[in-house]
Amino acid sequence: ETGVTQTPRHLVMGMTNKKSLKCEQHLGHNAMYWYKQSAKKPLELMFVYNFKEQTENNSVPSRFSPECPNSSHLFLHLHTLQPEDSALYLCASSQAGQGGSYNSPLHFGNGTRLTVT
Amino acid sequence: RKEVEQDPGPFNVPEGATVAFNCTYSNSASQSFFWYRQDCRKEPKLLMSVYSSGNEDGRFTAQLNRASQYISLLIRDSKLSDSATYLCVVKRSGNTGKLIFGQGTTLQVKP
Repeated sequence: ETGVTQTPRHLVMGMTNKKSLKCEQHLGHNAMYWYKQSAKKPLELMFVYNFKEQTENNSVPSRFSPECPNSSHLFLHLHTLQPEDSALYLCASSQAGQGGSYNSPLHFGNGTRLTVT
Repeated sequence: RKEVEQDPGPFNVPEGATVAFNCTYSNSASQSFFWYRQDCRKEPKLLMSVYSSGNEDGRFTAQLNRASQYISLLIRDSKLSDSATYLCVVKRSGNTGKLIFGQGTTLQVKP
């Protein structure tokens, strides 16, 4: 069993749909992340949650809405997306230290490949 | 200028070759450095951290040059299974400094 599990693996949605991506980590970590990976581009950090509190929103459009009900689960709610939002969405977790330090490695899930039509 | 820059490649090398990748970073206050590996259509995985004194893990050697602001990854005796994209990752300074990923360098090892 992988430490970080994402569902679904693939998602095709129209621009008017609403869908959610789910992430669950079994590593006992207290920090969770959403990253976006587009073709030929570096991974882009979207959101960071530390102890269930959002600590970073990297200027992400409001059509992406994260939710972190507890330290083990992270969701990304999607609505009225654009075709340019098609990408691989990666969830990750790590053990954040005191004061929110992020020194431990990231453990990634296998991603959701999203296509917006 | 990108905060972390890598030559995207691809680097095509025969089995058994030695290959080196460089990565430059622009923020001189950057604190920690890592190499991640990403196989095709898979998630990135930590390959190794990079320490100031340089460090080795089997066939892989990582070096850090703070004065010139670059890190390197050397792979000796390349295997077919080394074919992947290698991501340079830099942690910004400060306790909450986030990780900045490079675009990645693609390595293809040929038989």
